[in-house]
Amino acid sequence: GIQVEQSPPDLILQEGANSTLRCNFSDSVNNLQWFHQNPWGQLINLFYIPSGTKQNGRLSATTVATERYSLLYISSSQTTDSGVYFCASGGATNKLIFGTGTLLAVQP
Amino acid sequence: DSGVTQTPKHLITATGQRVTLRCSPRSGDLSVYWYQQSLDQGLQFLIQYYNGEERAKGNILERFSAQQFPDLHSELNLSSLELGDSALYFCASSVGGAVRGYNEQFFGPGTRLTVL
Repeated sequence: GIQVEQSPPDLILQEGANSTLRCNFSDSVNNLQWFHQNPWGQLINLFYIPSGTKQNGRLSATTVATERYSLLYISSSQTTDSGVYFCASGGATNKLIFGTGTLLAVQP
Repeated sequence: DSGVTQTPKHLITATGQRVTLRCSPRSGDLSVYWYQQSLDQGLQFLIQYYNGEERAKGNILERFSAQQFPDLHSELNLSSLELGDSALYFCASSVGGAVRGYNEQFFGPGTRLTVL
C-alpha cells in the first residue's frame, strides 16, 4: 500500500518566521489532505489537494502528483500555528494513510 | 467545527470490558470512517461504511466491530478491552464513497478511551 513520509519530524520557529513542510508518498493518489492537530487533539482540515496549488490566508499547499510529493507553506507563523501537521493520502481505496506528522512549535 | 459529532468525548473503563463509540456524520455525507490514534501506531484507518454497507477494512482487530445505521450514524464497538486499546478514536465522514472524484474527509473531535 501507499507509504507516506513527512519531514522534518519537528520544527521550532520564532513568531513571524516562514516554514515549509514536505510530504512524500510512494504511489499515485486520488486524495491528499493536510491536517493540523491542535493541542486539544482536534484534527482540522487545512487542504484537500490531490494536485495543484491552493492558498488559504497565510497557508498554502502544492501537490506535484507526478513526482509524488506535497508541500505545505506557513508564512508569518503565529503561536496558534503550533501543533502537529499531518499529511494523509488515499490511493486505490478510500482509506487515508497518514504520515507520522511534523511537530511545530512557534515561540513568541 | 467540522460538522461530525462523536460521543462520548472521554471514556475510562477496565480491561475486559466492552464499550460503544458513536458518530454522526456531516449532513449529506454517506460515508463514515473510523481511525485510531495511538502513541506507538500513529493514526490508522480501521473501517469504512458507505450508506449502511461496509466498504473497506483496515487494521481492525477481531474484537472490534462497527455498523452504520439507516439514519447514517455509526457505532464502533470495542470488546474484551486491553490496556493497548487506549487511544484516541476518530470518526470521519465524506460525501461519497467512490475512489474517484471528490472525497475529502472531515474528522470529528474524537473519543479518548482509557483502559485501566
